[in-house]
Amino acid sequence: KAGVTQTPRYLIKTRGQQVTLSCSPISGHRSVSWYQQTPGQGLQFLFEYFSETQRNKGNFPGRFSGRQFSNSRSEMNVSTLELGDSALYLCASSSTGVSYSGANVLTFGAGSRLTVL
Amino acid sequence: LAKTTQPISMDSYEGQEVNITCSHNNIATNDYITWYQQFPSQGPRFIIQGYKTKVTNEVASLFIPADRKSSTLSLPRVSLSDTAVYYCLVGDAYSGAGSYQLTFGKGTKLSVIP
Repeated sequence: KAGVTQTPRYLIKTRGQQVTLSCSPISGHRSVSWYQQTPGQGLQFLFEYFSETQRNKGNFPGRFSGRQFSNSRSEMNVSTLELGDSALYLCASSSTGVSYSGANVLTFGAGSRLTVL
Repeated sequence: LAKTTQPISMDSYEGQEVNITCSHNNIATNDYITWYQQFPSQGPRFIIQGYKTKVTNEVASLFIPADRKSSTLSLPRVSLSDTAVYYCLVGDAYSGAGSYQLTFGKGTKLSVIP
């Protein structure tokens, strides 16, 4: 079956602009979680959507937001871009989602590499 | 907060068995241990998951001692294509207000030498 698809793969923006990234999960998966990966901070959890509702959230400012549609596709938006937002943004889908036990298995997309100039 | 500690990097020759140990001293009773592999400019890929004792699949083995305060990922007979970063993930941290978040450590960069 098809994997997790993220678009666009690469994009360049300037400070102050906003960006929207898209993630199409594996068919049947209702959970989509988003991550920011940078060389300095590693992989950091942004938030998770499950059946169109934000269920879990990491420690990122309100400039980072997201939503999920009825077909489970998800978008992530970053407003008022800063240089420090340059990163690889990854999304992952799973059937059960982020839970207290970590028993869920995540399937990641290839990521969207954002460069802020 | 279930925090993990792994070696920053490891080197191995092709054909050798590689063992990467992850320390998770404050693992919770319900926590599972999951390992992911990541190649440059790609998303992490699930390798193996376990709760206790030993788990084996076609790619790797996972050894978990009785106290569950550590776990060891074993890769048999590595090849150049196993050069990647390996992440150990333990449970999901409760971040308050009914919210959980996944916490990835820094990972272990494995370099396989011909």
